[in-house]
Amino acid sequence: ETGVTQTPRHLVMGMTNKKSLKCEQHLGHNAMYWYKQSAKKPLELMFVYNFKEQTENNSVPSRFSPECPNSSHLFLHLHTLQPEDSALYLCASSAEPSGLAGGTGELFFGEGSRLTVL
Amino acid sequence: KQEVTQIPAALSVPEGENLVLNCSFTDSAIYNLQWFRQDPGKGLTSLLLIQSSQREQTSGRLNASLDKSSGRSTLYIAASQPGDSATYLCAVSNVQGAQKLVFGQGTRLTINP
Repeated sequence: ETGVTQTPRHLVMGMTNKKSLKCEQHLGHNAMYWYKQSAKKPLELMFVYNFKEQTENNSVPSRFSPECPNSSHLFLHLHTLQPEDSALYLCASSAEPSGLAGGTGELFFGEGSRLTVL
Repeated sequence: KQEVTQIPAALSVPEGENLVLNCSFTDSAIYNLQWFRQDPGKGLTSLLLIQSSQREQTSGRLNASLDKSSGRSTLYIAASQPGDSATYLCAVSNVQGAQKLVFGQGTRLTINP
């Protein structure tokens, strides 16, 4: 399997549920990202991980908890969400210039996880 | 704070026409600019990446230009086809390293057969 894979593709959850989104990249990249895409709003950066270390938390509420166990896997743990959190959550990866491969920084996205909070 | 604007928000043209999509950004000190395509309900597909030192990039029928001093980029699509129908997104990064892309709202393109 190649590219960036996200599971599940669709998720419906109640406000009291706990669920997780998973992202896996098979590109040998060293940086991974979570973006949120809501209707009629530009994509919003949520979290950045570079070499498994979180380098950016864009003022995201604590009900979203990221986890990056290694440079190929990224999770977004969801807890006590609100209906306004319903959105398409996109994972991306890139090879950064500071990495061994001397990448270009070009981002590659997964297909997204469509989340509906009831 | 970097802001990215894409005009027009929607565009509908007959098949075969050449067209230009516009992207402007407020802070010209960018590291790179990337154009993406998004089909309904799907993720983003990278089309072209332009580093700050470059003026343009080409891939097939697509050509993207960058004018940092004026804060503008254009995506030129030659000989448009119905399969080109999608939303096109422009994004810029102001920092080297893990990319903190700032996105525009996109241009929804429809190519009519």
